[in-house]
Amino acid sequence: SQTIHQWPATLVQPVGSPLSLECTVEGTSNPNLYWYRQAAGRGLQLLFYSVGIGQISSEVPQNLSASRPQDRQFILSSKKLLLSDSGFYLCAWSLGTVQETQYFGPGTRLLVL
Amino acid sequence: GESVGLHLPTLSVQEGDNSIINCAYSNSASDYFIWYKQESGKGPQFIIDIRSNMDKRQGQRVTVLLNKTVKHLSLQIAATQPGDSAVYFCAESHTGRRALTFGSGTRLQVQP
Repeated sequence: SQTIHQWPATLVQPVGSPLSLECTVEGTSNPNLYWYRQAAGRGLQLLFYSVGIGQISSEVPQNLSASRPQDRQFILSSKKLLLSDSGFYLCAWSLGTVQETQYFGPGTRLLVL
Repeated sequence: GESVGLHLPTLSVQEGDNSIINCAYSNSASDYFIWYKQESGKGPQFIIDIRSNMDKRQGQRVTVLLNKTVKHLSLQIAATQPGDSAVYFCAESHTGRRALTFGSGTRLQVQP
């Protein structure tokens, strides 16, 4: 069966520090991968998605970047964190070339102080 | 532009009652809809989905209804249990778009 992992689970970082969040998927090949951000008490905002290694699409201009160095690994990064980067970051995967169910990881809670 | 919204931010029901969570969407091209349940501090969990060539789909204790005429989606939960307490999100997508657009969520509170 497929599983998705995210780490760390919780992170507290000072403003201006770098960020690296990792997401890995097991049990499937060539998944579509997604990064979402969720502000407290709000819905999910799509940040990036990837349909293959090295292929990244950005949905919103921001202080963050994403990379996919391996088929089942998706990384969310920042060179300098802002206070507004605080939130709950969720990675998700799906299969297929048309819309299919997206399955979410456990999330990383980021607090920028 | 696209938007997916919910009519009620909080829904409180008695244990054993049926729950109905509503969602409106604005994009006429939307052809795939999905409901997620999110418990506090966890990632969203898939509940049920429906494509635009259907108007009803049933799962275990859940039913999704789609009314394309008025662009309305609902999730019905039968015999609501305390474990159903969570935030429920609807989301949509359309052919050619790989990502989902999420609504803002409805909190379901089940009273014992």
